[in-house]
Amino acid sequence: EAGVAQSPRYKIIEKRQSVAFWCNPISGHATLYWYQQILGQGPKLLIQFQNNGVVDDSQLPKDRFSAERLKGVDSTLKIQPAKLEDSAVYLCASSLVMGVKNTEAFFGQGTRLTVV
Amino acid sequence: KQEVTQIPAALSVPEGENLVLNCSFTDSAIYNLQWFRQDPGKGLTSLLLIQSSQREQTSGRLNASLDKSSGRSTLYIAASQPGDSATYLCAVRRNYGQNFVFGPGTRLSVLP
Repeated sequence: EAGVAQSPRYKIIEKRQSVAFWCNPISGHATLYWYQQILGQGPKLLIQFQNNGVVDDSQLPKDRFSAERLKGVDSTLKIQPAKLEDSAVYLCASSLVMGVKNTEAFFGQGTRLTVV
Repeated sequence: KQEVTQIPAALSVPEGENLVLNCSFTDSAIYNLQWFRQDPGKGLTSLLLIQSSQREQTSGRLNASLDKSSGRSTLYIAASQPGDSATYLCAVRRNYGQNFVFGPGTRLSVLP
């Protein structure tokens, strides 16, 4: 079974530039999450999708972050303009949901963003 | 609001020791709890998932327990090996459709 795929693995940009990350979840997984992990901390949810609908985006800085999940499969997360404090690892995860008991979450390798 | 803490923040042990990592959560109304491993510069690897109705789960040298009423989970690692060196994160989910809330992790070093 293929895992969660993310690209790019690393990205370095200057502040005020824009950047986009891509995620392809495990086939058949309806739920997709984007997490931000700052060095030394646990991941923090940015946005959760159920198919192509947003379930929770309460912690997404909407003035600069946006995300979409077209057709309920792949997802992109965009930052525009980036700030120094956005330097972090951006993790994508997916899981089965709705009536499935063993709702284990699977994570991708992450994208490490450095804003200089 | 659910908050998750993990103690200790870092742990260094000699190879072969048995060890326990602790996870505490403030809201006992959880759906499940999952333990993850994270190697430097990598994503998260799922280790064990415990449903709220379960008391423990085992996989190889790993055993995770859950005490919902006290808001605690422990991850027991038997006969630790240098390859176990990583950061261990616990995460709780309130309902089946909701996201995971993570602890800050315990950074484990197993010395040869």
